[in-house]
Order: sequence, then structure tokens, then C-alpha cells
Amino acid sequence: SQQGEEDPQALSIQEGENATMNCSYKTSINNLQWYRQNSGRGLVHLILIRSNEREKHSGRLRVTLDTSKKSSSLLITASRAADTASYFCATRTSGTYKYIFGTGTRLKVLA
Amino acid sequence: GAVVSQHPSWVICKSGTSVKIECRSLDFQATTMFWYRQFPKQSLMLMATSNEGSKATYEQGVEKDKFLINHASLTLSTLTVTSAHPEDSSFYICSALTGTGQQETQYFGPGTRLLVL
Repeated sequence: SQQGEEDPQALSIQEGENATMNCSYKTSINNLQWYRQNSGRGLVHLILIRSNEREKHSGRLRVTLDTSKKSSSLLITASRAADTASYFCATRTSGTYKYIFGTGTRLKVLA
Repeated sequence: GAVVSQHPSWVICKSGTSVKIECRSLDFQATTMFWYRQFPKQSLMLMATSNEGSKATYEQGVEKDKFLINHASLTLSTLTVTSAHPEDSSFYICSALTGTGQQETQYFGPGTRLLVL
């Protein structure tokens, strides 16, 4: 399958805790992007990390990228109930226009 | 910036009818747009890549005569589900590409939920 893998598939935490999601991919990439999807809605772009970057921050989000292991992680700190959503990583294989999405992590933050 | 709209947001139709879904990039031009299909609790499945001024590129297993794509301008791509059947019921999402090189980013529309009776 071309699809990336994300783990865990589902994650349930208490408000205020940190949430970590992992993404693995299979080919060389230009960049890796993380998206959030609320139930029944479109995807919201969260953060982009370039293939030559190792870590990036945006507000409560921290993304790391390890190209040697073909993996990335998304950390959400001090989670809120509003963070409840599915989170997907997406990569574009070098030399193509296609983006490959991970299987997604369903995060539930309990108030 | 980087807003993508889709219309309609949901549609119910009878089996055998055709449904057209529009995808617009509102504040940027997009040479390339993508159409995805998503089943409940699953990831996005790429259906086709829509290129302005040329034929769309369909993924394996996606019938091009069934899912007609027209990218008539740099801000509009349309997906027409022809002779829709209940198995075509799904959530259809488009995206538009902006930026270049390592800054290239996809921005997504809000999706269209199609229910075929």
C-alpha cells in the first residue's frame, strides 16, 4: 500500500495532557504536512516541515521529522477539548504531484 | 489566505442522476487541484489530479467516465459524478495546491457529502 501509517489509530486523553501522534512514510519526500479534520468536515492545514528540517513549532504544536527513519511526530501540548479531531500526515513523493495520506489518528480530549 | 470552497456542501439525489461538485480557490490560483473520496473513519483516497487546461490524471481503479473532472480555470475545478448509484455515496473533498518546492502546500475545501438514494 502506498498509504502512510500513523499510530496510534486512536488516542484518548484528559484535557491538559499532551498528545503525541506518529507518522511513518515509505519514500523520499519534499516535505511533510500535518492536517486536522473535525468530524464530517474538510481538512485544516496545521503545519509543514521541510525535508531538511528536523523540528518545527507552531503555538501548541511541535513537529519532528526524521528522514533517516522516514517518520514524523506531532505533539500537541496542553490539550483542549477543542483539539478532539482526526489528525493526518501527508507527504509528497519527490518527483510526483501526488500526496499520500497516513491512516490518521483519532484524538479525543476529555474535559 | 489560501481558502478553498466547495459547493454544494451536501447533496441528495436519485439513483441514475448526475451530480456536479465545484471546487474553487478563492484567494489564489491553482494549476493543480486534487479530488479525494473519504469513507467514514477512514483516510482520504486520492481519486484524480486535476490540471488546469489539460486532462485529469486518474488513480488506478477510478473510472474516468464515471467521475468527470474539468479544470476550466486557475480557480475552478469540477467533479461530475455521472449516473450516480448508492455505492457512490461518500464524502468528496477537493484540495488546491499552492507554493513551490519545499513550501508547496495543499489547502482543502470543506467537503461535499453525497447521498444517492
